[in-house]
Amino acid sequence: DAKTTQPTSMDCAEGRAANLPCNHSTISGNEYVYWYRQIHSQGPQYIIHGLKNNETNEMASLIITEDRKSSTLILPHATLRDTAVYYCIVPDYHTGSARQLTFGSGTQLTVLP
Amino acid sequence: DVKVTQSSRYLVKRTGEKVFLECVQDMDHENMFWYRQDPGLGLRLIYFSYDVKMKEKGDIPEGYSVSREKKERFSLILESASTNQTSMYLCASSFGTGLTYEQYFGPGTRLTVT
Repeated sequence: DAKTTQPTSMDCAEGRAANLPCNHSTISGNEYVYWYRQIHSQGPQYIIHGLKNNETNEMASLIITEDRKSSTLILPHATLRDTAVYYCIVPDYHTGSARQLTFGSGTQLTVLP
Repeated sequence: DVKVTQSSRYLVKRTGEKVFLECVQDMDHENMFWYRQDPGLGLRLIYFSYDVKMKEKGDIPEGYSVSREKKERFSLILESASTNQTSMYLCASSFGTGLTYEQYFGPGTRLTVT
């Protein structure tokens, strides 16, 4: 997988937007950026993915820079239930382990009341 | 909503026992996966299946086997449980035959082998 770099932890006030950055400077032209999160003691949850255009769904928005070397996941109105570890992933389509997800360390987001 | 269910949230087994972990998805997904997750080691793929009766080894298949007799069900079998198989086991599924990483996970089974 293309290497991603995320801050270890972030805090956000409840009701405010949470902006989670991710660097992926070695990303290739056809590689997507995926975001997942994992709430403590639960299975990971898919959030969103994108290639080069900004994407939005009911959970979040994904902003990818024009050079595609970084992206930001935006939770527009964070709630306490959004406290989780957030993973930014750029899967490697060229290795033998196709379709396998590999999570790095992620960002621990804590939403404060 | 996609629903992936796993047979147990918590399981305690003894060394040498045969252990069955069941996973069922209700979205007619072609692909199903078994991972284990350990602190400091992240998510590691054990096996995956892209069709009924088809399976492929992941990174750590030793000590495990799988069965997929029906599209919605993917079972993980620990032939003879050992203490180093104490872990969180996660099942996931995804749609389509192409390369997609949009996977939907179950709640996990925390297995303790004593």
